[in-house]
Amino acid sequence: GAGVSQSPSNKVTEKGKDVELRCDPISGHTALYWYRQSLGQGLEFLIYFQGNSAPDKSGLPSDRFSAERTGGSVSTLTIQRTQQEDSAVYLCASSLVGGGDEQFFGPGTRLTVL
Amino acid sequence: GEDVEQSLFLSVREGDSSVINCTYTDSSSTYLYWYKQEPGAGLQLLTYIFSNMDMKQDQRLTVLLNKKDKHLSLRIADTQTGDSAIYFCAETLSGYSTLTFGKGTMLLVSP
Repeated sequence: GAGVSQSPSNKVTEKGKDVELRCDPISGHTALYWYRQSLGQGLEFLIYFQGNSAPDKSGLPSDRFSAERTGGSVSTLTIQRTQQEDSAVYLCASSLVGGGDEQFFGPGTRLTVL
Repeated sequence: GEDVEQSLFLSVREGDSSVINCTYTDSSSTYLYWYKQEPGAGLQLLTYIFSNMDMKQDQRLTVLLNKKDKHLSLRIADTQTGDSAIYFCAETLSGYSTLTFGKGTMLLVSP
């Protein structure tokens, strides 16, 4: 079946604008994760969903970042009032049940904030 | 807190073995993983090991875990140019689902 998909693949925006990044997990996967990959910081965890609820939001770097998941499927990561330091590749992953089972990663969205 | 460290770069010749090393600090790690990232691509899980194991072999890949020293290694036998990529070590902790990654080791395989 299809893997994890993310859109857009690339996003260029101006500082101060809001952006929405979308993730479509593998069908039937209950757990969904957002990570950020940037130079110097490596891969950082942002938020974890189990179904539609987010038991772990500890990685969100500021209150400008939020995420939601609806229908136990699609998730949207929203960054408000983007800053240049938000420039990174945002990766989404899903797993069947969570709790350490294999996470399957999407190709990522490359965000550039000018 | 948890921390995962890796060397940043490794260069080998085609046909040689590659060994990528990783250290972690949290003794409550339950699973340890190796992911591969090729240029412009997402992360691909290569292999993983439970924390109660000390070795796992899967075709050309051998994972060794030394729990006492909190040291994990990935050995790639007969390294090929197609193995050139960034390799990430990652862990999950007991009771948690999220991955904590090292900064990645860039493996360059020359012909």
